[in-house]
Amino acid sequence: DGGITQSPKYLFRKEGQNVTLSCEQNLNHDAMYWYRQDPGQGLRLIYYSQIVNDFQKGDIAEGYSVSREKKESFPLTVTSAQKNPTAFYLCASSRRGAGAPLEQYFGPGTRLTVT
Amino acid sequence: AQKITQTQPGMFVQEKEAVTLDCTYDTSDQSYGLFWYKQPSSGEMIFLIYQGSYDEQNATEGRYSLNFQKARKSTNLVISASQLGDSAMYFCAMRVIGGSQGNLIFGKGTKLSVKP
Repeated sequence: DGGITQSPKYLFRKEGQNVTLSCEQNLNHDAMYWYRQDPGQGLRLIYYSQIVNDFQKGDIAEGYSVSREKKESFPLTVTSAQKNPTAFYLCASSRRGAGAPLEQYFGPGTRLTVT
Repeated sequence: AQKITQTQPGMFVQEKEAVTLDCTYDTSDQSYGLFWYKQPSSGEMIFLIYQGSYDEQNATEGRYSLNFQKARKSTNLVISASQLGDSAMYFCAMRVIGGSQGNLIFGKGTKLSVKP
């Protein structure tokens, strides 16, 4: 079955440590996205990539980094510079293009807790 | 700048009844898409239904339909014949079509609780 996988489901880290969240898709989508969700809030865009070896900052990129070496994979690193990293992280993918609808399909998410 | 507003933090509905979840949006672009997603307690976002800004008819998808009022910039989600499994968070989102970014702008969501 095609879909998006994120691992792990739950992640615990000590403050000051970098941590990398995995996102893999087998939908053959060109575009991939990382969102952050805080309690009682909608999703906010961290980074996105429209094509391999290219990515752009979203609205809240500070303290995060990404890479896009393969079409299927878009890992997100939460660095020690991120002041409030505890959150629910969702990865998504979509076809690329200017036309509609280009709905995004989401993975199950990773809940990161930093203490 | 684009913005999505969902004014109902929580809604209750009796099983088998219909419910309407409100969503208004703000954009100066003429070409855009509106999306609704369902987020169960497991956390995954599930795509439900889409409405394009140039679509003349309201979108429907099974028990989900949209009441799209372009002049009022609203796209309310109607769920007919509610089921217990419909209990979840519901998010309205917008994407500007043709924009370089391609990401979705989300509202803060409405928590729907279906009562037996």
